[in-house]
Amino acid sequence: AQKITQTQPGMFVQEKEAVTLDCTYDTSDQSYGLFWYKQPSSGEMIFLIYQGSYDEQNATEGRYSLNFQKARKSANLVISASQLGDSAMYFCAMAGNAGNMLTFGGGTRLMVKP
Amino acid sequence: GAGVSQSPRYKVTKRGQDVTLRCDPISSHATLYWYQQALGQGPEFLTYFNYEAQPDKSGLPSDRFSAERPEGSISTLTIQRTEQRDSAMYRCASSLGSWSTQYFGPGTRLLVL
Repeated sequence: AQKITQTQPGMFVQEKEAVTLDCTYDTSDQSYGLFWYKQPSSGEMIFLIYQGSYDEQNATEGRYSLNFQKARKSANLVISASQLGDSAMYFCAMAGNAGNMLTFGGGTRLMVKP
Repeated sequence: GAGVSQSPRYKVTKRGQDVTLRCDPISSHATLYWYQQALGQGPEFLTYFNYEAQPDKSGLPSDRFSAERPEGSISTLTIQRTEQRDSAMYRCASSLGSWSTQYFGPGTRLLVL
């Protein structure tokens, strides 16, 4: 069984500052993938970034980077230079060995202050 | 199509009625997933298809829930004899295959009165 834990129900960040959203995972699979999705108030689920368990380097996509620490089983999302449009719910998710179903965490609501 | 589409976007029904939700995946995507998302929570896996095959139904909460993808493209999720606890957002996602990024549709918000 896989489990994703997001311990921060809500967070504030000042516009233009960086913010880290925490995600820890638990799995017995050797191969797995970690994903982050953004859900704005409009309700869409927007894919942000992916990290494979065997990837040597941390994934980056524009202002998003994933701080992957395999030994600690953490996959934190770092958003640099926060913008007002970053205010949303953020979900960490994992796909296990089979690479199919995603297991999601409970989410973190990020609010960016002007 | 350009993205995953779902219909209807909103559905209000009375307890005991059957409902059918539709998902039209990205046209090149072999794999299609259904998730249920309660308010304020992350989505939970229901089932998925590889083309027409449905290898995993383990997330379906009861035998009132069923899904089809008869021609390997459009899929439907049917809930029979709806109950108030079925009220949720139902999300469809598609991907090129296993291990590929899943792209989500806008969801169908179901309210059972």
